[in-house]
Amino acid sequence: DGGITQSPKYLFRKEGQNVTLSCEQNLNHDAMYWYRQDPGQGLRLIYYSQIVNDFQKGDIAEGYSVSREKKESFPLTVTSAQKNPTAFYLCASREGQGIKTGELFFGEGSRLTVL
Amino acid sequence: AQRVTQPEKLLSVFKGAPVELKCNYSYSGSPELFWYVQYSRQRLQLLLRHISRESIKGFTADLNKGETSFHLKKPFAQEEDSAMYYCALWKYGNKLVFGAGTILRVKS
Repeated sequence: DGGITQSPKYLFRKEGQNVTLSCEQNLNHDAMYWYRQDPGQGLRLIYYSQIVNDFQKGDIAEGYSVSREKKESFPLTVTSAQKNPTAFYLCASREGQGIKTGELFFGEGSRLTVL
Repeated sequence: AQRVTQPEKLLSVFKGAPVELKCNYSYSGSPELFWYVQYSRQRLQLLLRHISRESIKGFTADLNKGETSFHLKKPFAQEEDSAMYYCALWKYGNKLVFGAGTILRVKS
């Protein structure tokens, strides 16, 4: 079954702890993205990667970190430096490194709650 | 700044009524615009893109460069159209920028 898998679906974290959200895709897509979804603010881009071993900051990268060691994996770490981490996180992928347009395929999301 | 504005947080219409979800954009250059939809308990997915000039599930969207708009329209709303709709702009650097979203509620 092809697609994007995010885990865990729900995660609780104490303040001061780092947490890593997993994103795996078997679509053989080059580009991967992390968005944060908050009510009334839509989706905001955290980080994106157009190719293995390369990634760029999005609009709200502070307090987050990523890695792209494998084409199919793009984990997101929410660090203790992120001031308001409670949110719904969406991972997406897109085929075609050099293609300007293209459909984004999304995972089901991970809901992080900081206690 | 390159951004997308969806002025309505919620749009409520009766079944069979016309629907128009508003989207305005700010972009220097030729914009590439999309509508994404998220039905209850489903993943966010592409509804349509302006370059395709297609009609999906009865929805259409026309790019109006003069008004910098890309409104989503459907002549007769169905209950199954109830969802969250996002307008999105493809930004230089291979990034997709989303608006805040509009919840469409179709009442019977």
